[in-house]
Amino acid sequence: AQSVSQHNHHVILSEAASLELGCNYSYGGTVNLFWYVQYPGQHLQLLLKYFSGDPLVKGIKGFEAEFIKSKFSFNLRKPSVQWSDTAEYFCAVNRATDSWGKLQFGAGTQVVVTP
Amino acid sequence: DAGVTQSPTHLIKTRGQQVTLRCSPKSGHDTVSWYQQALGQGPQFIFQYYEEEERQRGNFPDRFSGHQFPNYSSELNVNALLLGDSALYLCASGSWGAGTEAFFGQGTRLTVV
Repeated sequence: AQSVSQHNHHVILSEAASLELGCNYSYGGTVNLFWYVQYPGQHLQLLLKYFSGDPLVKGIKGFEAEFIKSKFSFNLRKPSVQWSDTAEYFCAVNRATDSWGKLQFGAGTQVVVTP
Repeated sequence: DAGVTQSPTHLIKTRGQQVTLRCSPKSGHDTVSWYQQALGQGPQFIFQYYEEEERQRGNFPDRFSGHQFPNYSSELNVNALLLGDSALYLCASGSWGAGTEAFFGQGTRLTVV
């Protein structure tokens, strides 16, 4: 069965620390990959996306992600987090042949950044 | 420019009742997808509407149905509510076709008692 796995449910770190969130998927064929973020009280927002090309993708707010096809992974990174990065982060995948709207999400990682 | 708007924000229903949730897509968008997000889980795809037709469907029973209107807005209907239907229901909009992204609303929190 197709699945999206996020390695950590909760992460707590201090400001200026580096962040890496793992995401693995099990899908056959070509996929599109996304990271969404949900800040407290706000709607889901797109951080970054990968459709094709350079496997290192840069997104908003200093986030980047690397697609490693051989490992079926799409890990999210940020070199130095801020308190405002406290949020829930979701990895999402869809088949390249599916509409953008049919996403499969991971369970999410709650990230808390302490001052 | 309004983003994706959903109504109501919260509602409480009794088991066995029926509920209708509403979504207005972001300006310029013609396609709407609905998701269910249970507590502590990621959103799960319910179905997608384009040109007033259901185009794709996830693994949800027929109690979940939808509609899209000529102005691209959409409704999600759930019949015979179960306690397990309690969740945040999210609407996402975009333009039909591949190679784009989903824009999400803030959701409707449904509690079934």
